[in-house]
Amino acid sequence: SQQGEEDPQALSIQEGENATMNCSYKTSINNLQWYRQNSGRGLVHLILIRSNEREKHSGRLRVTLDTSKKSSSLLITASRAADTASYFCATDLSNYQLIWGAGTKLIIKP
Amino acid sequence: NAGVTQTPKFQVLKTGQSMTLQCAQDMNHNSMYWYRQDPGMGLRLIYYSASEGTTDKGEVPNGYNVSRLNKREFSLRLESAAPSQTSVYFCASTGTALGSLSLHFGNGTRLTVT
Repeated sequence: SQQGEEDPQALSIQEGENATMNCSYKTSINNLQWYRQNSGRGLVHLILIRSNEREKHSGRLRVTLDTSKKSSSLLITASRAADTASYFCATDLSNYQLIWGAGTKLIIKP
Repeated sequence: NAGVTQTPKFQVLKTGQSMTLQCAQDMNHNSMYWYRQDPGMGLRLIYYSASEGTTDKGEVPNGYNVSRLNKREFSLRLESAAPSQTSVYFCASTGTALGSLSLHFGNGTRLTVT
């Protein structure tokens, strides 16, 4: 019942470059969230975008949402070593249930 | 402010043994959740508690039971562990329904069943 699918599965870039990862989903949504997970830790919420929003910014993060294509992208600008982590998108199945993608593993090379 | 605290951090069980994973949050959140995370897959919801006194099944509840002990605490019990339950378990909480607020996660319990 996995709804969100991230692309690519893994991404390796040089420090300072921009990183873009994508999420596709299957059914209509009310909102979409992005989370970060550092190795061996729990997930941390990054940003939530509602279905009536097309773009949202938070610091070096930029999220877009295209409901006609059922897709979202997360852009991290000017990447840093500390951005090395796995990134997950999640969409709402109900008031209390999210559907998660399998994640994009991002590695920032110094 | 501790947020969401899970114990233990690591556990090894033999097939058929039982154990309880503990979770507590200090953010006065109404809703609490148990997820499992397996390699190459997204998080899968095991059980959730929308509010104190209620619990509901998620996507993969078989083999598990839960107890919402009070507003702060939500435990997950494996009555007879199986190797298929080897996973990382995460507890999470949120103030209201997911439409408006994000999840706060603990750091996980890494369980191996041999």
